[in-house]
Amino acid sequence: EVQLVESGGGLVQPGGSLRLSCAASGFTFSSHRMHWVRQGPGKGLVWVSRIEGDGSDISYADSVKGRFTISRDNAKNTLYLQMSSLRAEDTAVYYCTRTGGGFDHWGQGTLVTVSS
Amino acid sequence: QSALTQPRSVSGSPGQSVTMSCTGTSRDVGGYNYVSWYRQHPGKAPKLMIYDVSKRPSGVPDRFSGSKAGNTASLTISGLQAEDEADYYCCSYAGTYTVFGGGTKLTVL
Repeated sequence: EVQLVESGGGLVQPGGSLRLSCAASGFTFSSHRMHWVRQGPGKGLVWVSRIEGDGSDISYADSVKGRFTISRDNAKNTLYLQMSSLRAEDTAVYYCTRTGGGFDHWGQGTLVTVSS
Repeated sequence: QSALTQPRSVSGSPGQSVTMSCTGTSRDVGGYNYVSWYRQHPGKAPKLMIYDVSKRPSGVPDRFSGSKAGNTASLTISGLQAEDEADYYCCSYAGTYTVFGGGTKLTVL
């Protein structure tokens, strides 16, 4: 069974940093492109970033470019999102998801709140 | 990286059919056959309902169908059921990025 479990969310002050993790199991992690998608309170889904299975290609939404860094450790079956210079508008539930014909599996999400 | 355009809400009675649209540009919806649709119930993670414009994942009933014409994709749900009441999001690959629509709230009357 495919499982994606996010962790690392919490309350952080504006300008602060946080690292999210997504532990994957039940599939060959290194074979799949992985993504982060976020959803602000009461708002819609927004794509944040993606990384190829071997880490060779990375893309970001303009809103996070230069502040967020996506990475993966295929030996640990784990996806990461390093977030810095956080702003109030980054407050959201952050989901990790994989590409397998659309985003076919999602984690339960981890809440990041940016507030003083 | 502008969001795709979806109607804010649609509604239908049980047993009826509804269609919701998703309008983008030639850089996203119109440029690739990689449109997908997601259903999200309150407090839950999104669920994939359609991928590659019109393909259904295993386990998704054939009441759900997708199509595309030019820069606009559509999701049709036939035989509406109470469980279909949810938010629906379209999504398109756009080369160097991926973009979602703003979401459509489906109300089953």
